[in-house]
Amino acid sequence: AQSVTQPDIHITVSEGASLELRCNYSYGATPYLFWYVQSPGQGLQLLLKYFSGDTLVQGIKGFEAEFKRSQSSFNLRKPSVHWSDAAEYFCAVGAAGYSSASKIIFGSGTRLSIRP
Amino acid sequence: DTAVSQTPKYLVTQMGNDKSIKCEQNLGHDTMYWYKQDSKKFLKIMFSYNNKELIINETVPNRFSPKSPDKAHLNLHINSLELGDSAVYFCASSPGTGVSNEQFFGPGTRLTVL
Repeated sequence: AQSVTQPDIHITVSEGASLELRCNYSYGATPYLFWYVQSPGQGLQLLLKYFSGDTLVQGIKGFEAEFKRSQSSFNLRKPSVHWSDAAEYFCAVGAAGYSSASKIIFGSGTRLSIRP
Repeated sequence: DTAVSQTPKYLVTQMGNDKSIKCEQNLGHDTMYWYKQDSKKFLKIMFSYNNKELIINETVPNRFSPKSPDKAHLNLHINSLELGDSAVYFCASSPGTGVSNEQFFGPGTRLTVL
């Protein structure tokens, strides 16, 4: 069965420091991978996605992620965080389903706090 | 212009009551979803509709009944509310059913059952 693991529940980094959020997935075929961000009291917004091709994908707000098949990982990175990046981050894998039904399976999320 | 909107934003009610949450999208998408986010932030799909037809129905109690009057609307009706139904419910939409389609989320409805 498909699954997503985000091993870090909560991470605190200083403003201006670099960031890496970890994500490991379990999926039998080539996965569709996503990172979403949820700001407090808001819905989720897509940061970036990977389907195929270049394993380093660029997203919005200066984020990037790298797909590593050998490690079943899709870690999210940002070179320099801003206070506005404080939010909950969700990694997700897209699972092709029966007939036309497909669904996204989310990890449990990593809460990012920014130290001034 | 709000792309995916939900009403109400907050809903506080007593156990045993029946309540509805409404969702509307103005993106022209064919596919809509309901997700439940529990107190630990775990987000799980409940239902998906494509052009008003139910295509995903996860293991959800039959007290939950989605209804799609047209492809821009997907409402969620919950009968006989229980304490465990307290959560944030998110509506989402996407252009199609394929897993590569980006899903656009509403702001959520925080349901509290007392």
